[in-house]
Amino acid sequence: QLVLTQSPSASASLGASVKLTCTLSSGHSSYAIAWHQQQPEKGPRYLMKLNSDGSHSKGDGIPDRFSGSSSGAERYLTISSLQSEDEADYYCQTWGTGGVFGGGTKLTVL
Amino acid sequence: EVQLVESGGGLVQPGGSLRLSCAASGFTFRSYWMSWVRQAPGKGLEWVANIKQDGSEKYYVDSVKGRFTISRDNAKNSLYLQMNSVRAEDTALYYCARINYWSGYMYYFDYWGQGNLVTVSS
Repeated sequence: QLVLTQSPSASASLGASVKLTCTLSSGHSSYAIAWHQQQPEKGPRYLMKLNSDGSHSKGDGIPDRFSGSSSGAERYLTISSLQSEDEADYYCQTWGTGGVFGGGTKLTVL
Repeated sequence: EVQLVESGGGLVQPGGSLRLSCAASGFTFRSYWMSWVRQAPGKGLEWVANIKQDGSEKYYVDSVKGRFTISRDNAKNSLYLQMNSVRAEDTALYYCARINYWSGYMYYFDYWGQGNLVTVSS
């Protein structure tokens, strides 16, 4: 069964960097994913699509501070120079018979 | 600028019906698969349904099969979700989302609406 696993929470200081992880279930390590950001009280926003080899392509207007990488079954979202507006929920997403989402990671900027 | 604006949500009794609408603008609506995604209060995102560009193919999450119907009107640049026999567990923010295809890799949601709340309660 295709499942995406994310840590429920993460935190980092203003101006620092943070790396969020999304893990693909066994047998699905070659799958590409997308990352989405959901700021408080807002709809989700597409950030980027990310392949198993780490190649990625960002959505319109997404700052260079956001980048993606991959290793095996893990897909990463790195946010550098953290700003207060980066405090949000981050979801990874892939596709099976329909859309499949991870449980989301709540990022707190200290 | 791509815009997706949902409407039609509100309070509905268990077993009742509701129809959500999504008005699309800023892109060629008839060229894209479209989707509904929901988010229960305090919970994560859950894909609900997809529809092909011409409406000929539709897919649903198991929990709504036989109760919800996705449809579209390309002449009106609009997407719909007819919700019948609703249950308390259908209470959620419902998002309209555009689907894009990364050739050779996967489908993904590249634009989202702001969401519309459906509350199922007596």
